[in-house]
Amino acid sequence: AQSVTQLGSHVSVSEGALVLLRCNYSSSVPPYLFWYVQYPNQGLQLLLKYTSAATLVKGINGFEAEFKKSETSFHLTKPSAHMSDAAEYFCAVSDRSSNTGKLIFGQGTTLQVKP
Amino acid sequence: DSGVTQTPKHLITATGQRVTLRCSPRSGDLSVYWYQQSLDQGLQFLIQYYNGEERAKGNILERFSAQQFPDLHSELNLSSLELGDSALYFCASSDQGTSPLHFGNGTRLTVT
Repeated sequence: AQSVTQLGSHVSVSEGALVLLRCNYSSSVPPYLFWYVQYPNQGLQLLLKYTSAATLVKGINGFEAEFKKSETSFHLTKPSAHMSDAAEYFCAVSDRSSNTGKLIFGQGTTLQVKP
Repeated sequence: DSGVTQTPKHLITATGQRVTLRCSPRSGDLSVYWYQQSLDQGLQFLIQYYNGEERAKGNILERFSAQQFPDLHSELNLSSLELGDSALYFCASSDQGTSPLHFGNGTRLTVT
């Protein structure tokens, strides 16, 4: 069965600092992995996805993530945090074993950006 | 704008009551997914429909049911509501199994 674990429920960075949000996955088949962002009172917005092409994936708003099979990780990074990046971030894995397309989400990481 | 529309945005009701949440998927998407988001459980998959047929079932209570209509919109019915059912309910849609899910803005249900 597929699962994801997000390390750190809360991350705080200063504006302009590196953002690193950690995600580890467990999957019995090659995974499809996603990062979503949720702003207050809004739905989840897709940041980026990995579907077995390039291991370094670039997304919207300057975010990127690297798929590392040896470490079963898919960490999200951004070189320089902006105040507008404050939100909750979710890592998700597609349940490919069932071929339904449903996503299994991690518990989420709240990113705080300090001025 | 994801193209997924959910109504209503907010719903306040009493224990024991029944409510219906509605979702219109993005144009062309055949799959609809329902998720429940709460502080203690996080994002939990409830159920998926594909072109009118139930495709997958998750942690959905027997008091809850859903359906997808010929025009592809979907409804989630919650009955005999309990305080613990208070949560944000999201609908998402996709066009095929490998595509990402596109989420609506959710319906916030408060059971008093």
